[in-house]
Amino acid sequence: QKEVEQNSGPLSVPEGAIASLNCTYSDRGSQSFFWYRQYSGKSPELIMFIYSNGDKEDGRFTAQLNKASQYVSLLIRDSQPSDSATYLCAVIEGGNFNKFYFGSGTKLNVKP
Amino acid sequence: EPEVTQTPSHQVTQMGQEVILRCVPISNHLYFYWYRQILGQKVEFLVSFYNNEISEKSEIFDDQFSVERPDGSNFTLKIRSTKLEDSAMYFCARNREGSPLHFGNGTRLTVT
Repeated sequence: QKEVEQNSGPLSVPEGAIASLNCTYSDRGSQSFFWYRQYSGKSPELIMFIYSNGDKEDGRFTAQLNKASQYVSLLIRDSQPSDSATYLCAVIEGGNFNKFYFGSGTKLNVKP
Repeated sequence: EPEVTQTPSHQVTQMGQEVILRCVPISNHLYFYWYRQILGQKVEFLVSFYNNEISEKSEIFDDQFSVERPDGSNFTLKIRSTKLEDSAMYFCARNREGSPLHFGNGTRLTVT
């Protein structure tokens, strides 16, 4: 059973601060990694994806991947109250490009 | 604009009844999926569908579940005899090989 682990939180940060969300995964063969944002009662919404080691930036979001450590993270700069949601880490199973595993999510609270 | 549309948004049914959840992929993408999320838990893979047949299914997807693409546009998930533990959000998703999943708006199924 492939595992994707996240701290459930809640992670509380003040408005304007950097929020750091972390995820570890068990499948060494995984090559594709995704971050989704999910508001309560809504469907997951893609925030970012990353396939290569290192950092990938998109606006206020930065994804970081370290395949050797089997670790992926999401940084949110200048956090806003509207960023308050649950953030899901997802990983594609190695060798099976259409099977995604999701973490249980980290709840982020951004306080005004 | 949603890329997949699910109906109904909320379905209430009695234990033992059959339900059909529907998804309309707006565009002709290759892979379609059903996922479920029990309240407060992980997004769980149920089944993937490619070229009008099941490409993979999880251990959750037992004989009470079936999927169809009956008319080339709708994509349905049928639960033959619902149980209380089937109460969850059900998400339809689509993607191309290895690309991010994009979810529909979800159907909340409540089994009483």
